[in-house]
Amino acid sequence: LAKTTQPISMDSYEGQEVNITCSHNNIATNDYITWYQQFPSQGPRFIIQGYKTKVTNEVASLFIPADRKSSTLSLPRVSLSDTAVYYCLLLSGGYQKVTFGTGTKLQVIP
Amino acid sequence: DSGVTQTPKHLITATGQRVTLRCSPRSGDLSVYWYQQSLDQGLQFLIQYYNGEERAKGNILERFSAQQFPDLHSELNLSSLELGDSALYFCASSVTPQSLGGYTFGSGTRLTVV
Repeated sequence: LAKTTQPISMDSYEGQEVNITCSHNNIATNDYITWYQQFPSQGPRFIIQGYKTKVTNEVASLFIPADRKSSTLSLPRVSLSDTAVYYCLLLSGGYQKVTFGTGTKLQVIP
Repeated sequence: DSGVTQTPKHLITATGQRVTLRCSPRSGDLSVYWYQQSLDQGLQFLIQYYNGEERAKGNILERFSAQQFPDLHSELNLSSLELGDSALYFCASSVTPQSLGGYTFGSGTRLTVV
């Protein structure tokens, strides 16, 4: 299973745009880049998924360069409620043993 | 409410005991996944079921077992409990057996072994 690397933690002020980068040098052709958000003592919540270029939804944007060896989750104008752990995963069809890793702990500061 | 229901929400038990955690998947989802999250750790994949059959197995201890019933609910059985088994246990579900498309997680069962 291809591994991902992301920063352990990040701080940001309210109202700023936050970009969390994930490295996945060994991404496979059929892997989709997927991000989850987890608040303390809650289950992770699916945020966004993409294969290449850019994907945007009501919550975030996902930027993927042509080589797909990295990706950037962009959260526009964060608020205190965006304080959470963000996980970057590579998902593909099939029965995978998907482990989430430790993610990036985002702390939004007033 | 994600639609995935886990019971109980909290469980405190003594070492050596056995407990059963229950998960009802989101309506229409056939696949169930179990995860363990220890303090400040990532989510470790334990096991996956699809329509009653085991499909993938992670680093699940031999003291742990699971099954998915005909009504699609799943149970995770933890026996001979040790202090290190204290963790949050999450259940997730998806429509298809493949992981693509993401999972919907429940709110978890917090197990404390004393």
